Amino acid sequence: DTGVSQNPRHKITKRGQNVTFRCDPISEHNRLYWYRQTLGQGPEFLTYFQNEAQLEKSRLLSDRFSAERPKGSFSTLEIQRTEQGDSAMYLCASSLRGYNEQFFGPGTRLTVL
Amino acid sequence: DAKTTQPNSMESNEEEPVHLPCNHSTISGTDYIHWYRQLPSQGPEYVIHGLTSNVNNRMASLAIAEDRKSSTLILHRATLRDAAVYYCILSGLNSGGSNYKLTFGKGTLLTVNP
Repeated sequence: DTGVSQNPRHKITKRGQNVTFRCDPISEHNRLYWYRQTLGQGPEFLTYFQNEAQLEKSRLLSDRFSAERPKGSFSTLEIQRTEQGDSAMYLCASSLRGYNEQFFGPGTRLTVL
Repeated sequence: DAKTTQPNSMESNEEEPVHLPCNHSTISGTDYIHWYRQLPSQGPEYVIHGLTSNVNNRMASLAIAEDRKSSTLILHRATLRDAAVYYCILSGLNSGGSNYKLTFGKGTLLTVNP
């Protein structure tokens, strides 16, 4: 399967713990995006990378959140000191610069107890 | 970000055409109109996009009003697998001159009856 992959698919953690999610984009895609989706809502943009550079961060991305894309390949999203309000589906997408279509992964569902 | 308005839900019968409307009265000249859909327990999936002219692809057609303040996604023959939430999204250009960020609303939940 050459689509966008995300790991883990599900994560249950206790409040206050740190979690890290991984996204592997489609191999030739130079843009990578993170979105968050809560129940009954559409996905909300968090941040995006062009190659290894993080070009925009939403104000939704508090200082407890950090995203990296070393070497412009896979990306990680870390949430420190998780809160119950962080419970959501975290979606990753990738695209080619100059093309409109974003390809989404299946998401990582985070539950904070 | 320019806003879109869609009905919360629509119903269709299998093998009949479906017209999903979207209003975007504050659209700017450089905003592209995108449609994505999200099947249950999956990430969103690209359907179609356009700027000014009507567009067709293997999944659907996009009809854009002449003033660009509204558009309609047309599924020519709905199947049970088309049951999903359909999002109409405007995506503007960033400083680099390309579209990037998608701002999703709540979308339209399409139910397809057998």
